Amino acid sequence: AQKITQTQPGMFVQEKEAVTLDCTYDTSDPSYGLFWYKQPSSGEMIFLIYQGSYDQQNATEGRYSLNFQKARKSANLVISASQLGDSAMYFCAMREWSNSGNTPLVFGKGTRLSVIA
Amino acid sequence: NAGVTQTPKFRILKIGQSMTLQCTQDMNHNYMYWYRQDPGMGLKLIYYSVGAGITDKGEVPNGYNVSRSTTEDFPLRLELAAPSQTSVYFCASSYSNRRDGYTFGSGTRLTVV
Repeated sequence: AQKITQTQPGMFVQEKEAVTLDCTYDTSDPSYGLFWYKQPSSGEMIFLIYQGSYDQQNATEGRYSLNFQKARKSANLVISASQLGDSAMYFCAMREWSNSGNTPLVFGKGTRLSVIA
Repeated sequence: NAGVTQTPKFRILKIGQSMTLQCTQDMNHNYMYWYRQDPGMGLKLIYYSVGAGITDKGEVPNGYNVSRSTTEDFPLRLELAAPSQTSVYFCASSYSNRRDGYTFGSGTRLTVV
C-alpha cells in the first residue's frame, strides 16, 4: 500500500505568492518523521524541512513551513514569497522509527512546481 | 568534505552487459541506500545497508546486487542489464537517528539499449 500520496502532479504559482503542496501519509507506527525534498532541473536532491511525529510545533525553515495535521495524516509544505528559483519537483517522504532501527525513506511521486514571473 | 560521491555520472549499456555503480561517503554514516528514479516518478528503494556487512532488499531489488564491506562504500551491481533498468540511480547515506534526512549523491543516469 502506498504510504505517501502527493495528489498534485503539477502546480503553478505567481512570483511572490505563497503556495501549498499537499502530502498525505499512511502509517500505524506512532513514531515517524516526515521530510520534504526539492529536486531542481539539475537533478540533485535537496533536503528542505523535517517534521517529527511528536513535535509540538509545525516545522519552519526560512520560507518553508510544514502544515502538520497529525489526525488527518497530512504534512503539507508551504512556500511563502515564491521565487523563480523555487521551480522544481518537490517530494514528500516518510521514515518510521522502530525499536530495531529506522525504516528507509519512502517517497511520494512528487509535485512539479512552476513559478511564473 | 565530499559527502556522497557517485560514479559514473552517465553510462550507456547494451542489453545483457553488466556494470557496477560506485558510491562512497566520507561522513561515517552507518546507513546507506540505493534508489532509482524513473522519469516523472518518485524514488524507489532498491537496497539498503545499516552497517558494514549488512544489506537488505528494498521495494525493487530484482536485477541488482549490493555489498557493504566497509562503512564508506556501497556499490550497486547490475547483472544482465535490461531496458527496464534505464533510470537515474541515487545513492544516499544517513545516521541512524538524525532529523536531517539523507545526504544524496548527484546521481547516475543509466540508459540500457
